[in-house]
Amino acid sequence: DAKTTQPPSMDCAEGRAANLPCNHSTISGNEYVYWYRQIHSQGPQYIIHGLKNNETNEMASLIITEDRKSSTLILPHATLRDTAVYYCIVRVAWDTGNQFYFGTGTSLTVIP
Amino acid sequence: SAVISQKPSRDICQRGTSLTIQCQVDSQVTMMFWYRQQPGQSLTLIATANQGSEATYESGFVIDKFPISRPNLTFSTLTVSNMSPEDSSIYLCSVVVGRGNQPQHFGDGTRLSIL
Repeated sequence: DAKTTQPPSMDCAEGRAANLPCNHSTISGNEYVYWYRQIHSQGPQYIIHGLKNNETNEMASLIITEDRKSSTLILPHATLRDTAVYYCIVRVAWDTGNQFYFGTGTSLTVIP
Repeated sequence: SAVISQKPSRDICQRGTSLTIQCQVDSQVTMMFWYRQQPGQSLTLIATANQGSEATYESGFVIDKFPISRPNLTFSTLTVSNMSPEDSSIYLCSVVVGRGNQPQHFGDGTRLSIL
Protein backbone atom coordinates (compact mmCIF):
# COMPACT_ATOMS: atom_id res chain seq x y z
CA ASP A 1 0.00 0.00 0.00
CA ALA A 2 1.09 3.56 -0.74
CA LYS A 3 2.72 5.21 2.24
CA THR A 4 2.66 8.77 0.93
CA THR A 5 0.18 11.64 0.76
CA GLN A 6 0.32 14.33 -1.91
CA PRO A 7 -2.01 17.17 -2.91
CA PRO A 8 -4.03 16.12 -5.96
CA SER A 9 -3.16 19.15 -8.06
CA MET A 10 -1.01 22.28 -8.21
CA ASP A 11 -0.38 25.13 -10.60
CA CYS A 12 2.90 26.93 -11.19
CA ALA A 13 3.80 29.89 -13.39
CA GLU A 14 6.32 29.22 -16.11
CA GLY A 15 9.82 30.20 -15.04
CA ARG A 16 9.02 30.06 -11.35
CA ALA A 17 10.04 27.34 -8.93
CA ALA A 18 7.58 24.50 -8.47
CA ASN A 19 7.54 23.07 -4.95
CA LEU A 20 5.74 19.74 -4.67
CA PRO A 21 5.16 18.46 -1.12
CA CYS A 22 4.85 14.89 0.07
CA ASN A 23 3.98 13.50 3.49
CA HIS A 24 5.39 10.14 4.54
CA SER A 25 4.87 10.19 8.29
CA THR A 26 5.23 6.41 8.72
CA ILE A 27 8.55 6.16 6.89
CA SER A 28 11.04 3.75 8.40
CA GLY A 29 14.71 4.42 8.97
CA ASN A 30 15.86 2.38 5.98
CA GLU A 31 13.26 3.59 3.48
CA TYR A 32 14.23 5.88 0.65
CA VAL A 33 12.09 8.60 -0.90
CA TYR A 34 11.77 8.50 -4.70
CA TRP A 35 10.18 10.95 -7.08
CA TYR A 36 8.84 10.14 -10.52
CA ARG A 37 6.76 11.98 -13.03
CA GLN A 38 4.45 10.74 -15.74
CA ILE A 39 3.66 12.70 -18.82
CA HIS A 40 0.55 11.60 -20.67
CA SER A 41 0.96 8.41 -22.67
CA GLN A 42 4.44 7.72 -21.33
CA GLY A 43 5.84 5.51 -18.58
CA PRO A 44 6.91 7.11 -15.30
CA GLN A 45 10.24 8.93 -15.50
CA TYR A 46 12.66 8.76 -12.59
CA ILE A 47 13.60 12.19 -11.20
CA ILE A 48 15.53 11.86 -7.95
CA HIS A 49 15.74 9.95 -4.69
CA GLY A 50 17.23 10.31 -1.21
CA LEU A 51 17.42 8.86 2.27
CA LYS A 52 17.92 11.74 4.68
CA ASN A 53 20.20 14.27 3.05
CA ASN A 54 19.04 16.84 0.54
CA GLU A 55 19.79 15.84 -3.03
CA THR A 56 20.17 17.76 -6.27
CA ASN A 57 20.59 16.67 -9.86
CA GLU A 58 20.12 18.21 -13.28
CA MET A 59 16.37 17.84 -13.08
CA ALA A 60 15.41 18.82 -9.55
CA SER A 61 16.22 19.16 -5.87
CA LEU A 62 14.87 17.00 -3.09
CA ILE A 63 14.51 18.44 0.40
CA ILE A 64 13.83 15.92 3.18
CA THR A 65 12.89 17.20 6.63
CA GLU A 66 15.08 16.29 9.55
CA ASP A 67 12.47 13.91 10.98
CA ARG A 68 12.03 12.45 7.45
CA LYS A 69 8.27 12.60 7.72
CA SER A 70 7.92 14.83 4.70
CA SER A 71 9.80 15.98 1.63
CA THR A 72 9.58 18.56 -1.13
CA LEU A 73 10.53 18.20 -4.76
CA ILE A 74 11.72 21.48 -6.26
CA LEU A 75 11.76 22.18 -9.97
CA PRO A 76 13.80 25.39 -9.96
CA HIS A 77 12.54 26.95 -13.19
CA ALA A 78 9.36 25.25 -14.34
CA THR A 79 8.67 25.00 -18.06
CA LEU A 80 5.55 23.94 -19.91
CA ARG A 81 7.17 20.55 -20.47
CA ASP A 82 7.15 19.97 -16.72
CA THR A 83 3.36 19.62 -16.79
CA ALA A 84 2.84 16.06 -15.56
CA VAL A 85 1.68 13.89 -12.67
CA TYR A 86 4.37 13.70 -9.99
CA TYR A 87 4.59 10.67 -7.71
CA CYS A 88 6.37 10.47 -4.38
CA ILE A 89 7.20 6.91 -3.30
CA VAL A 90 8.92 5.42 -0.28
CA ARG A 91 10.49 1.98 -0.37
CA VAL A 92 13.05 -0.21 1.26
CA ALA A 93 16.30 -0.83 -0.58
CA TRP A 94 15.99 -3.84 -2.84
CA ASP A 95 17.79 -6.25 -0.56
CA THR A 96 14.76 -6.52 1.66
CA GLY A 97 11.97 -5.94 -0.82
CA ASN A 98 12.05 -3.66 -3.78
CA GLN A 99 8.39 -3.03 -4.45
CA PHE A 100 7.13 0.44 -5.32
CA TYR A 101 3.63 1.35 -4.26
CA PHE A 102 2.34 4.38 -6.10
CA GLY A 103 -0.05 6.83 -4.49
CA THR A 104 -2.36 9.11 -6.40
CA GLY A 105 0.31 11.73 -7.14
CA THR A 106 0.13 15.48 -7.80
CA SER A 107 -0.98 16.77 -11.17
CA LEU A 108 1.23 19.79 -11.85
CA THR A 109 0.13 22.30 -14.45
CA VAL A 110 2.68 24.88 -15.56
CA ILE A 111 0.91 27.99 -16.74
CA PRO A 112 2.37 30.26 -19.42
CA SER B 1 19.81 3.54 -17.13
CA ALA B 2 18.52 0.65 -19.24
CA VAL B 3 16.54 0.98 -22.45
CA ILE B 4 13.24 -0.87 -22.09
CA SER B 5 11.18 -1.96 -25.07
CA GLN B 6 7.64 -3.23 -24.74
CA LYS B 7 5.69 -4.96 -27.46
CA PRO B 8 3.06 -4.40 -28.58
CA SER B 9 2.74 -0.70 -27.77
CA ARG B 10 -1.03 -0.97 -28.09
CA ASP B 11 -3.65 -3.48 -29.07
CA ILE B 12 -7.38 -3.91 -29.33
CA CYS B 13 -8.59 -7.38 -28.40
CA GLN B 14 -11.82 -9.32 -28.23
CA ARG B 15 -13.16 -10.44 -24.89
CA GLY B 16 -12.27 -13.98 -23.94
CA THR B 17 -8.94 -13.91 -25.75
CA SER B 18 -5.43 -13.68 -24.28
CA LEU B 19 -2.53 -11.39 -25.11
CA THR B 20 1.14 -11.73 -24.27
CA ILE B 21 3.15 -8.57 -23.70
CA GLN B 22 6.90 -8.65 -24.05
CA CYS B 23 9.47 -6.59 -22.15
CA GLN B 24 13.02 -6.54 -23.51
CA VAL B 25 15.90 -4.69 -21.83
CA ASP B 26 19.19 -3.79 -23.49
CA SER B 27 21.27 -4.82 -20.48
CA GLN B 28 21.13 -7.30 -17.65
CA VAL B 29 18.94 -6.16 -14.79
CA THR B 30 18.57 -7.37 -11.24
CA MET B 31 14.81 -7.06 -10.94
CA MET B 32 11.80 -6.78 -13.24
CA PHE B 33 8.24 -5.82 -12.38
CA TRP B 34 4.86 -5.56 -14.05
CA TYR B 35 2.33 -2.82 -13.30
CA ARG B 36 -1.17 -1.98 -14.40
CA GLN B 37 -2.54 1.51 -14.84
CA GLN B 38 -6.29 1.67 -15.29
CA PRO B 39 -7.77 4.71 -17.06
CA GLY B 40 -7.29 7.87 -15.00
CA GLN B 41 -5.68 5.95 -12.15
CA SER B 42 -2.26 5.55 -10.61
CA LEU B 43 -0.01 2.53 -11.11
CA THR B 44 -0.70 -0.76 -9.33
CA LEU B 45 1.99 -3.38 -8.93
CA ILE B 46 0.91 -6.74 -10.37
CA ALA B 47 3.96 -8.87 -9.63
CA THR B 48 7.70 -9.23 -9.41
CA ALA B 49 9.07 -11.31 -12.28
CA ASN B 50 11.62 -13.75 -10.89
CA GLN B 51 14.24 -15.22 -13.17
CA GLY B 52 13.77 -18.95 -13.61
CA SER B 53 10.99 -19.28 -11.05
CA GLU B 54 7.38 -18.33 -10.46
CA ALA B 55 6.57 -14.67 -10.19
CA THR B 56 5.62 -13.11 -6.87
CA TYR B 57 2.10 -11.70 -7.13
CA GLU B 58 0.57 -8.85 -5.20
CA SER B 59 -2.74 -9.18 -3.43
CA GLY B 60 -5.59 -9.25 -5.92
CA PHE B 61 -3.55 -10.68 -8.79
CA VAL B 62 -3.27 -14.38 -9.59
CA ILE B 63 -1.11 -16.47 -11.85
CA ASP B 64 -4.01 -17.94 -13.79
CA LYS B 65 -5.10 -14.49 -14.91
CA PHE B 66 -1.65 -12.90 -15.33
CA PRO B 67 0.95 -15.60 -16.03
CA ILE B 68 4.46 -14.15 -16.11
CA SER B 69 7.71 -15.56 -17.40
CA ARG B 70 11.27 -14.37 -17.00
CA PRO B 71 13.66 -16.80 -18.68
CA ASN B 72 16.75 -14.62 -18.38
CA LEU B 73 18.11 -11.31 -17.07
CA THR B 74 16.89 -9.20 -19.98
CA PHE B 75 13.44 -10.48 -20.95
CA SER B 76 10.02 -11.01 -19.41
CA THR B 77 6.48 -11.58 -20.61
CA LEU B 78 3.11 -10.86 -19.08
CA THR B 79 0.00 -12.60 -20.41
CA VAL B 80 -3.43 -11.17 -19.78
CA SER B 81 -5.73 -14.17 -19.98
CA ASN B 82 -9.42 -14.50 -20.80
CA MET B 83 -9.73 -10.76 -21.18
CA SER B 84 -12.78 -8.72 -20.32
CA PRO B 85 -13.42 -4.97 -20.75
CA GLU B 86 -12.29 -4.45 -17.15
CA ASP B 87 -8.78 -5.44 -18.25
CA SER B 88 -8.55 -2.38 -20.48
CA SER B 89 -5.48 -0.66 -19.05
CA ILE B 90 -1.91 0.31 -19.68
CA TYR B 91 0.48 -2.47 -18.67
CA LEU B 92 4.00 -1.36 -17.80
CA CYS B 93 7.26 -3.16 -17.29
CA SER B 94 9.91 -1.74 -14.97
CA VAL B 95 13.46 -2.80 -14.15
CA VAL B 96 16.16 -2.18 -11.60
CA VAL B 97 19.80 -2.12 -12.65
CA GLY B 98 22.26 -2.85 -9.89
CA ARG B 99 21.65 -3.18 -6.18
CA GLY B 100 20.92 -1.17 -3.10
CA ASN B 101 18.82 1.93 -3.57
CA GLN B 102 18.85 2.05 -7.36
CA PRO B 103 15.59 3.37 -8.85
CA GLN B 104 13.18 1.52 -11.07
CA HIS B 105 13.04 2.50 -14.73
CA PHE B 106 9.87 2.09 -16.72
CA GLY B 107 8.98 1.27 -20.27
CA ASP B 108 6.32 3.28 -22.07
CA GLY B 109 3.76 0.55 -21.57
CA THR B 110 1.24 -1.42 -23.60
CA ARG B 111 -2.11 0.25 -24.05
CA LEU B 112 -4.72 -2.50 -24.14
CA SER B 113 -8.37 -2.09 -25.04
CA ILE B 114 -10.87 -4.95 -24.78
CA LEU B 115 -14.05 -4.87 -26.83
